[in-house]
Amino acid sequence: GEDVEQSLFLSVREGDSSVINCTYTDSSSTYLYWYKQEPGAGLQLLTYIFSNMDMKQDQRLTVLLNKKDKHLSLRIADTQTGDSAIYFCAESPNTDKLIFGTGTRLQVFP
Amino acid sequence: ETGVTQSPTHLIKTRGQQVTLRCSSQSGHNTVSWYQQALGQGPQFIFQYYREEENGRGNFPPRFSGLQFPNYSSELNVNALELDDSALYLCASSLAQRGVFGETQYFGPGTRLLVL
Repeated sequence: GEDVEQSLFLSVREGDSSVINCTYTDSSSTYLYWYKQEPGAGLQLLTYIFSNMDMKQDQRLTVLLNKKDKHLSLRIADTQTGDSAIYFCAESPNTDKLIFGTGTRLQVFP
Repeated sequence: ETGVTQSPTHLIKTRGQQVTLRCSSQSGHNTVSWYQQALGQGPQFIFQYYREEENGRGNFPPRFSGLQFPNYSSELNVNALELDDSALYLCASSLAQRGVFGETQYFGPGTRLLVL
């Protein structure tokens, strides 16, 4: 089946690192994605990783992929208040759609 | 800014009515996908259009239909609206090359539909 799971909430202090975790079910997914959604807004693509990679780093963002365990994580270094949002991971088991998790609400406090 | 635009931004309808939502894809993109995001949930795939034809469909009833135009813009139509259709409707554009899909999807800001 197709299912993507994420924890619902994460609260971190400004300046600390945030780690958002995701598990997915379809091993045929070619790409895995992280999107950010601020209140009342659409989805902003943050980063993605190709399924044959273990890690991808992009400025403050680090994506780790454990394909054996079907586990994906997003690490945000030096988390800022502007990073407060909902973060969605998504898999692409078929070429015509994305399967999203329910989202992790990240709250950054001073 | 992704270059994907949607209209209207907000809409209020009553149960049983029909609604049309519009999407203009990012320049150079030829594929449009539509998603429904209920409050507190992740987006759910409705369908995708490529070359003016439906290319895939999620678990939505036939009263959800769509169109894609030669300029790659798209419409989502929902007939016989129900209260549970209240949601944020997102469109995403991507580029399929030589019929190969799976490229990254870029989302518009969404249309928030409230059904009373």
